[in-house]
Amino acid sequence: AQSVTQLGSHVSVSEGALVLLRCNYSSSVPPYLFWYVQYPNQGLQLLLKYTSAATLVKGINGFEAEFKKSETSFHLTKPSAHMSDAAEYFCAVSERDDKIIFGKGTRLHILP
Amino acid sequence: DSGVTQTPKHLITATGQRVTLRCSPRSGDLSVYWYQQSLDQGLQFLIQYYNGEERAKGNILERFSAQQFPDLHSELNLSSLELGDSALYFCASSVELATYNEQFFGPGTRLTVL
Repeated sequence: AQSVTQLGSHVSVSEGALVLLRCNYSSSVPPYLFWYVQYPNQGLQLLLKYTSAATLVKGINGFEAEFKKSETSFHLTKPSAHMSDAAEYFCAVSERDDKIIFGKGTRLHILP
Repeated sequence: DSGVTQTPKHLITATGQRVTLRCSPRSGDLSVYWYQQSLDQGLQFLIQYYNGEERAKGNILERFSAQQFPDLHSELNLSSLELGDSALYFCASSVELATYNEQFFGPGTRLTVL
């Protein structure tokens, strides 16, 4: 069965610094992988997804993620953090059945 | 605005009661998903419907049930409510069945059980 582990429930970075949010997955077949963002008092919004095409996936708002099969990882990065990036980020995995499993989320804090 | 609407936004009720949460998917989306988000459990997939048929079940309790109507709106029914059912309930929709499709989330219904 698929599962997702997000390392760090809270991450703080300074404005302008690199953002790195870690996600490791477990899957018995090649997975689909997603990053979603949740701003305060809102629903989730898709940032990017991996569906077995290019291993480096570019998303909205300058975020990207790299699929590394050998490390079973799908970490999310952004070169330069903005205050508006403060939100909760969820990594998710699907094994191409009808279920999608979300990680517990990482809350990103941006320090001025 | 994702185009997914959920009503009500807030719901306060007592233990033992029954409530119904409503979701209208984006125009043209056939697939509807229900999720429960709580501090201790995180975001849990409950159930998925596609064009009126149940397609997948997650961690949905027997006290909970859902359906999707011919006009594609969906309702999540929660009965014999317990304090632990207090949570944010999200509905999401997507165009088709496959989970690689982007899901569009509604703003959620916050349920408080007293």
